[in-house]
Amino acid sequence: AQSVAQPEDQVNVAEGNPLTVKCTYSVSGNPYLFWYVQYPNRGLQFLLKYITGDNLVKGSYGFEAEFNKSQTSFHLKKPSALVSDSALYFCAVRDRNTGGFKTIFGAGTRLFVKA
Amino acid sequence: DAGVTQSPTHLIKTRGQQVTLRCSPKSGHDTVSWYQQALGQGPQFIFQYYEEEERQRGNFPDRFSGHQFPNYSSELNVNALLLGDSALYLCASSFRVSYNEQFFGPGTRLTVL
Repeated sequence: AQSVAQPEDQVNVAEGNPLTVKCTYSVSGNPYLFWYVQYPNRGLQFLLKYITGDNLVKGSYGFEAEFNKSQTSFHLKKPSALVSDSALYFCAVRDRNTGGFKTIFGAGTRLFVKA
Repeated sequence: DAGVTQSPTHLIKTRGQQVTLRCSPKSGHDTVSWYQQALGQGPQFIFQYYEEEERQRGNFPDRFSGHQFPNYSSELNVNALLLGDSALYLCASSFRVSYNEQFFGPGTRLTVL
C-alpha cells in the first residue's frame, strides 16, 4: 500500500535561513512525487514534481526538492526562507505503475517563518 | 483563463440527506479527481474521472458516487450523509497523463449536522 509520512507537524525557521520540510514515502513501484502548498482560504497549489532523471528538482518560488531512492525520501528545501513562505505544505506520491491520478498525500507540515 | 471552479462554497446538511457538489476543470484539462480533506489532515483520494468513466477509486463507500459530463465538468454525490462526512471537498483537474500535476479548486466546505 502506498503511504506518505511527514514526520514534523510544524517547522519553525527565521527569515533568511535555509528551510527543510521532510517527506518519506512507501510505494510498491516507482513513484511520481509532488509537493503542494496550501495558503489560508486558498486551494492547494503545485510547487514541484519528480518524474525521472536528475534527483534535484527545482520548482516555484525558489523551492527545490531532492529525491533519494535509497532512503525513499523527497525533502523540500529552500536556501533562504521568506515570511510569505509560511503555509501548510503537503508531500504526495503516485504509483506510476498503476497509471491514473490516484495520489496519496501526507498529513501536512505547517511552516512558520519568523521575521 | 479560469482555473478550477467549485460550487457551492459552503453547504450545511443533516444526517441522512444527500448532497451534490460540482466542479469545472481548468481549461484544456480532461481529467477530474475528487478528494476529501478533513480538518488537520491531508487530502484523501475519492475517485478519478476520465472520458466520463470512473478510472480509479480510493477507500470510500458506495455512498460516494460521481459523474463526468462531455464538457469534462464533474459532480460528486454523497448519499445518506453521516456526521463524519463533514470536510472540505476538493476537486482537482489535470491533463490525461499520470505524471502531470493536478490543479485544485478552492473546495466546498460540507457540514453535516
